[in-house]
Amino acid sequence: EVQLVQSGAEVKKPGDALKISCKGSGYSFTDFWIGWVRQMPGKGLEWMGIIYPGDSDTKYSPSFQGQVTISADRSINTAYLQWTSLKASDTAMYYCARYSTIAPPVWGQGTTVTVSS
Amino acid sequence: IVLTQSPGTLSLSPGESATLSCRASQSVSSSYLAWYRQKPGQAPRLLIYGASSRATGIPDRFSGSGSGTDFTLTISRLEPEDFAVYYCQQYGNSPPHTFGQGTKLEIK
Repeated sequence: EVQLVQSGAEVKKPGDALKISCKGSGYSFTDFWIGWVRQMPGKGLEWMGIIYPGDSDTKYSPSFQGQVTISADRSINTAYLQWTSLKASDTAMYYCARYSTIAPPVWGQGTTVTVSS
Repeated sequence: IVLTQSPGTLSLSPGESATLSCRASQSVSSSYLAWYRQKPGQAPRLLIYGASSRATGIPDRFSGSGSGTDFTLTISRLEPEDFAVYYCQQYGNSPPHTFGQGTKLEIK
């Protein structure tokens, strides 16, 4: 079974660093793109960026370029989304999702990030 | 590519049919257009991919159609669990893989 399992909820203070994860299983991790999606409280879905673990090719939405870093570790089938200095406005649910031209999208369960002083 | 969904809110009764629209600012490959349903407090659930293919476990009350810049999700015989927010997304070879702003399907 293809699965993406995300790391647990985080509560952080403004200025903290954070790295959340998304572990793939049941498929060849290096052969599919992994994207990240933000959903702020009460709002819609926003596409943040995407990485191809096979060669680490990474693309960002202009809205998120420079604000976050997407990476992947092929050895443990895990993709990451990280911040160096969180803001209160980063409070949101974050989803990872697998994309391919040959298979339907598969989503993780989401990671809640709360940034509050 | 900008995806515009309409209507913003759709008020219907159980048993009725719903027609949701997703219009793209430029042509989208039909192979890479998806529809999701999101209930409060839950992750989005894939309903349709490739514009018209139902995802695993999705009943045939849900159907997707369209090509180019105009896509439609039709839900027949609405059930209480169908009242939620629906999003379309294009996920072709060229990111960004944008989402529509969502259509809220509410009980009339």
